[in-house]
Amino acid sequence: KAGVTQTPRYLIKTRGQQVTLSCSPISGHRSVSWYQQTPGQGLQFLFEYFSETQRNKGNFPGRFSGRQFSNSRSEMNVSTLELGDSALYLCASSLEINEQFFGPGTRLTVL
Amino acid sequence: GNSVTQMEGPVTLSEEAFLTINCTYTATGYPSLFWYVQYPGEGLQLLLKATKADDKGSNKGFEATYRKETTSFHLEKGSVQVSDSAVYFCARSEHTGNQFYFGTGTSLTVIP
Repeated sequence: KAGVTQTPRYLIKTRGQQVTLSCSPISGHRSVSWYQQTPGQGLQFLFEYFSETQRNKGNFPGRFSGRQFSNSRSEMNVSTLELGDSALYLCASSLEINEQFFGPGTRLTVL
Repeated sequence: GNSVTQMEGPVTLSEEAFLTINCTYTATGYPSLFWYVQYPGEGLQLLLKATKADDKGSNKGFEATYRKETTSFHLEKGSVQVSDSAVYFCARSEHTGNQFYFGTGTSLTVIP
């Protein structure tokens, strides 16, 4: 069974731009969660989607948004990029609560 | 907020040494507890988990026991290998969904 895939793997943007990241979960998994990983803040939860609905949300500004499609694929969007948004963005998929499988991440660099 | 406290690194050990990485948590109720490992340039891989008090998770020679009385989930391995060099994250779940709280990570380097 294929694992969680994230595209693109690397991305370079400039301040003020917007970016969309994509995550395809493991087949059959309906929950997709997003995390931001930075050296200073570590791993922080952004949001979780389950069956196309946002089920949980972390403490991030409204510039960070997401959605989930009927095939469980999820996208995360960051508008008006700031230098501090440079991070590794990780997606995790789950069949049930308490078991998350992570993708390789998208490395976003904001210049 | 973040409610997982993990031993600061980096940790450097010789091959075949004993490893302990401490992890404590705060939570209301009884969360599930996890250890994840991250190799350079990769995402997180689930190493082991425990879903209730006194459960012991184990995998690849690593073990951790869910201690409710001390709110701890320390990771141990009796004999580390060079290939165990990675960053280890302790995490706990929320009962409302897949919102995990992670520790800050402990970098382990095993030297031959």
